[in-house]
Amino acid sequence: EDKVVQSPLSLVVHEGDTVTLNCSYEVTNFRSLLWYKQEKKAPTFLFMLTSSGIEKKSGRLSSILDKKELSSILNITATQTGDSAIYLCAVYNNNDMRFGAGTRLTVKP
Amino acid sequence: NAGVTQTPKFQVLKTGQSMTLQCAQDMNHNSMYWYRQDPGMGLRLIYYSASEGTTDKGEVPNGYNVSRLNKREFSLRLESAAPSQTSVYFCASRGTAGGISPLHFGNGTRLTVT
Repeated sequence: EDKVVQSPLSLVVHEGDTVTLNCSYEVTNFRSLLWYKQEKKAPTFLFMLTSSGIEKKSGRLSSILDKKELSSILNITATQTGDSAIYLCAVYNNNDMRFGAGTRLTVKP
Repeated sequence: NAGVTQTPKFQVLKTGQSMTLQCAQDMNHNSMYWYRQDPGMGLRLIYYSASEGTTDKGEVPNGYNVSRLNKREFSLRLESAAPSQTSVYFCASRGTAGGISPLHFGNGTRLTVT
């Protein structure tokens, strides 16, 4: 059965810290891995990763995929209180998209 | 653009009642999805429709039915609601032309079954 596992499930840091969120997967017919940020309502798209070893970057956020290890990491540098959210990892196979349980990040002032 | 629109935003049902959650997208997307989100469990796929006229079960389809009414609309029906179906329901859509693309989500329906 397809499986997406995120760690840690919960994380509390202070502003300015750097965090690394992990996602591992076991999925048949892997096509791509996606990261989403969810604040109060709908998840919003951050990154889509298809090829191993190529870093995607947007401001203080970056992510990379390791297809050999079946995993991805999401890094956030110089965290701000506005980064507080649930970060979701999802893996797309040929037809559907499966999500992990998410990492709840809390950034304290 | 409105994107993905879900109605209603909130609903309270008694056990055994039925209801339909509505979803419409205006992005001309082929694929549409229904997820439920429970605390600590992320988003779990209920049903999806890869294209107009097709529907398939996801991880947790029991107790639900879906209808892909046309390319824009994908509804989720609870025939006999149970307290275990208390959750936040998200509809999403995705374009498939040109390869892989991310999901676009609606704002969710918060359903409570008493």
